[in-house]
Order: sequence, then structure tokens, then C-alpha cells
Amino acid sequence: AQSVTQLGSHVSVSEGALVLLRCNYSSSVPPYLFWYVQYPNQGLQLLLKYTSAATLVKGINGFEAEFKKSETSFHLTKPSAHMSDAAEYFCAVPSFTYGNKLVFGAGTILRVKS
Amino acid sequence: DTGVSQDPRHKITKRGQNVTFRCDPISEHNRLYWYRQTLGQGPEFLTYFQNEAQLEKSRLLSDRFSAERPKGSFSTLEIQRTEQGDSAMYLCASSSLAVGPWYEQYFGPGTRLTVT
Repeated sequence: AQSVTQLGSHVSVSEGALVLLRCNYSSSVPPYLFWYVQYPNQGLQLLLKYTSAATLVKGINGFEAEFKKSETSFHLTKPSAHMSDAAEYFCAVPSFTYGNKLVFGAGTILRVKS
Repeated sequence: DTGVSQDPRHKITKRGQNVTFRCDPISEHNRLYWYRQTLGQGPEFLTYFQNEAQLEKSRLLSDRFSAERPKGSFSTLEIQRTEQGDSAMYLCASSSLAVGPWYEQYFGPGTRLTVT
């Protein structure tokens, strides 16, 4: 079954520092991957998506992610963190085996220190 | 395009009571999904509709849960005889097969349920 694993339930960075949130996918995953962001008490907002067109994907708010098949990874990065980036981030993959649904990682809470 | 809306945003209920949540998808989106998110976890799939037909239900959806989408527009999710374990954020999402793949889903703000 398709799955994603997010390493690190909490990540803390200083404002202006590099943000790196890790996501690894299972090898059976088809080449569709997503990153969502969730602000407190809100729903999910799509940050970016990989659909095999290009390995480096740029999203909203200055985030980008690189699909690396050799490492089965799709890590999310941002060169310079802003206070407004503090939120929870989810990596997700569509399931084609057991119905049409998105399968999410457990999430990573990003804290940005001033 | 007004986005996916959910009502209520917050619900506090006592154990054993019934609750009903409503989701209004993006206009003309024919697919509607329900997910549940508990503290510290990512959303988990519950069920989905294509138009008015409920096509799949997760094993997470016990007999106390029922979902409907009577006219293929809004949907309701009812939980009967609520238990403390039902406390979670209930998220609704929609997608349109006409304009993109089913996995490009747009999420609503969620309904946070607290069972006391």
C-alpha cells in the first residue's frame, strides 16, 4: 500500500534560517506527491504537488520540494523562514490501490523562533 | 469560487449525544471526501461520494457513523451515540473530475468535535 513517512514530528528554526521538512515515500508509490500546510484550527492548504513533470517543484509562499527517486524522498525546503511559516505540514500521496483517497503522513510542526 | 465550507466549525457535545456536520463543496465538484484528524496525526480517510453515490467507506467508519449526499451537492456526516474517542477534527474535501484528477482535493476549514 502507498504510504509516506515524515521524519521529525517537530522542527524548530530561527527566522531567516533554512527550513527542511523530510518526507519519504514507499517504493510502490506512483509519481504523485503533495505537501499541505495547516494553520491552527484551519483546514489544509495545498503548498505544492509533484506529478512527474519536473523533479524540482515550486509552490506557494516560497516553498519548494525535490523528488529524488534514488532516495525515495520528497523533502520540503524554504531558504529563509518567516514567522508566518509556523504551522503543521503534511506530506501526502494518492492511493490507487484501495480506492480514491489521499494518504497522509503524521505531520511535522514547524516552529519559527525570532 | 467560494471554496469548501463546513458547519459548524466547533461542536462540543456530551457522550451519547448525536451530532451532525455539514459540508458544502466547491460548486460543481462532483467528488466529496470526508477525513478525520486526531491530535498529532495526519488526516485519515473516512468515505467519499461521486455525485450522490457513496462509493467507498473506510473501516474507521463504524456503524455509528453515516454520511449522505442526497442531491449530489452538500453532504452531511452524522455520528450517533458519540464516544470520547470520536473527538477529532472532521475535514471535508472536494474535487472535480471534469477539471483535474480526483487527487487534487480542496479542503474545508474542518469541524472540531469535542466529546465530554
